[in-house]
Amino acid sequence: GAVVSQHPSRVICKSGTSVKIECRSLDFQATTMFWYRQFPKKSLMLMATSNEGSKATYEQGVEKDKFLINHASLTLSTLTVTSAHPEDSSFYICSASHQGANEQFFGPGTRLTVL
Amino acid sequence: AQSVTQPDIHITVSEGASLELRCNYSYGATPYLFWYVQSPGQGLQLLLKYFSGDTLVQGIKGFEAEFKRSQSSFNLRKPSVHWSDAAEYFCAVGASHYGQNFVFGPGTRLSVLP
Repeated sequence: GAVVSQHPSRVICKSGTSVKIECRSLDFQATTMFWYRQFPKKSLMLMATSNEGSKATYEQGVEKDKFLINHASLTLSTLTVTSAHPEDSSFYICSASHQGANEQFFGPGTRLTVL
Repeated sequence: AQSVTQPDIHITVSEGASLELRCNYSYGATPYLFWYVQSPGQGLQLLLKYFSGDTLVQGIKGFEAEFKRSQSSFNLRKPSVHWSDAAEYFCAVGASHYGQNFVFGPGTRLSVLP
């Protein structure tokens, strides 16, 4: 149980375009989802926390207009990188949790490459 | 603000040898502490966690960790390493069980020699 999927696993896009990454909880209802960014050979950095039906809370230094997060249902959160640039290239990881859980469950990640 | 340090960027051990990965944290309240493993192409997997109680915590895959409040440490240990343990290991601290105010350490890459 407690499986989280991400789609796509890998995406390449041109500079200036927008990219949407989906995060789904497959076998539980995720009241809270988290988005992380991992730079090459670096640790994970929390970008934002999203609760179903409400606006995401962004960490300091993360541009909310650049990284749009939507958590429209209890099983789906999306991260849209708007007007992507090469410096946005990274590994994006989501996690999900639910009431009563004592941990967060991580997705496999999405590798974004902006040309 | 909380922070996590993992002093060792890369550790190499021989298969069958013992392992200790170091983790130190800075946190203003009682921390929730975690160890995760990340293998290439796979998501983060929780090895073990500490919230309260017994300071020696047992996890999956034969790993254990000891919480030492006086040293602000939460070191990960395994008595005998297997080749499949080669991966990236992350220590993390948070304000709750499930992700609030979560901060990851920089990670330690473990290589295992045959």
